[in-house]
Amino acid sequence: EPEVTQTPSHQVTQMGQEVILRCVPISNHLYFYWYRQILGQKVEFLVSFYNNEISEKSEIFDDQFSVERPDGSNFTLKIRSTKLEDSAMYFCASSGTSGGLQETQYFGPGTRLLVL
Amino acid sequence: GNSVTQMEGPVTLSEEAFLTINCTYTATGYPSLFWYVQYPGEGLQLLLKATKADDKGSNKGFEATYRKETTSFHLEKGSVQVSDSAVYFCALSDLFGNEKLTFGTGTRLTIIP
Repeated sequence: EPEVTQTPSHQVTQMGQEVILRCVPISNHLYFYWYRQILGQKVEFLVSFYNNEISEKSEIFDDQFSVERPDGSNFTLKIRSTKLEDSAMYFCASSGTSGGLQETQYFGPGTRLLVL
Repeated sequence: GNSVTQMEGPVTLSEEAFLTINCTYTATGYPSLFWYVQYPGEGLQLLLKATKADDKGSNKGFEATYRKETTSFHLEKGSVQVSDSAVYFCALSDLFGNEKLTFGTGTRLTIIP
């Protein structure tokens, strides 16, 4: 069964450093998402991406964040200058379409980011 | 805006007990409702969904019915197993132009043999 994959599974970084989290969505999916889950809190939407552009972003997704689909298979989340409060589990998700409507989102296993 | 309120955990049950995890929502439009499950060390997996009022989603013995009149989508299972131990998330997406998922806080379920 096709699945969303994410790398790395864990990343530790120093405050102020740049990190890039990578995701490979399911191959025929057209909609891509990033969510995050701070330890002990709910899963929060960050950004959605369709047709090579951001379709929606939350207020969390400020100028320090960016997304890219560099090569038609990967989907990346970059945090330009990490803060302590960016420590969280980051989930990538993708969805396809059926009859013009978006289908269920499928999630990757997550990248646990720890900012020291 | 959209929101999901979920039963606080953790919940601990004995094997073969009946399970209910409550979920209520607030949404504009006509949302789809979901239950996702997160097993230890894994990502979020879709457990079941319902896309319109009175629909019942079901999978692996779990069920949830979309109740528009009470804005609820409670998760139930008649006889839980140790392998059901996980964190359960209720979520919604608004069908009208906004497909992001809004999640509840999650309920940690532990089943004791």
